[in-house]
Amino acid sequence: AQSVTQLGSHVSVSEGALVLLRCNYSSSVPPYLFWYVQYPNQGLQLLLKYTSAATLVKGINGFEAEFKKSETSFHLTKPSAHMSDAAEYFCAVSGTKAGTALIFGKGTTLSVSS
Amino acid sequence: KAGVTQTPRYLIKTRGQQVTLSCSPISGHRSVSWYQQTPGQGLQFLFEYFSETQRNKGNFPGRFSGRQFSNSRSEMNVSTLELGDSALYLCASSPRQGTYEQYFGPGTRLTVT
Repeated sequence: AQSVTQLGSHVSVSEGALVLLRCNYSSSVPPYLFWYVQYPNQGLQLLLKYTSAATLVKGINGFEAEFKKSETSFHLTKPSAHMSDAAEYFCAVSGTKAGTALIFGKGTTLSVSS
Repeated sequence: KAGVTQTPRYLIKTRGQQVTLSCSPISGHRSVSWYQQTPGQGLQFLFEYFSETQRNKGNFPGRFSGRQFSNSRSEMNVSTLELGDSALYLCASSPRQGTYEQYFGPGTRLTVT
């Protein structure tokens, strides 16, 4: 069975500081991995995805994530936080076979202070 | 391209009633998945439809059902509503079967009183 663990339900950073949101996955098969962002009263927006190509994945809004198989991790980073990055972030995993569902982590709320 | 649209955006129902939610996927996308989001359980997969057939189903009771039409639009129905069904219901579309890359709509906020 697949699962995702997001370490830290709440992360606070100052504007301009490094953002690091942690995600560890469990999967018996090579997974696809995703990061989504959700702003208040909105749906989820895809930030980036790993689909077994390059292990360092660049996404929108300056975010990137690195797939580390040995650590079963897919942490999300951004060099310099902006106030507009404040939102809830979800890591998700799926199998690569058709018909497998997206399994989400519990989410991490990112707060950015000035 | 227009994104995924969901109607209505907000809904208030009484316990025991039934409700139907609608989702229009991105043009050209044939797969539609539904998720329930609650503070306690987080995001949980309900079901996926592709080419008008349910391809995958999550661990929800039979009160939750759905369908997909030939134009890929999808509806989700919940019968005999319970207080615990209060949630944000999210629809996501994908260009192909399975969950390779999903694009989410804004959701329907259902409140059951």
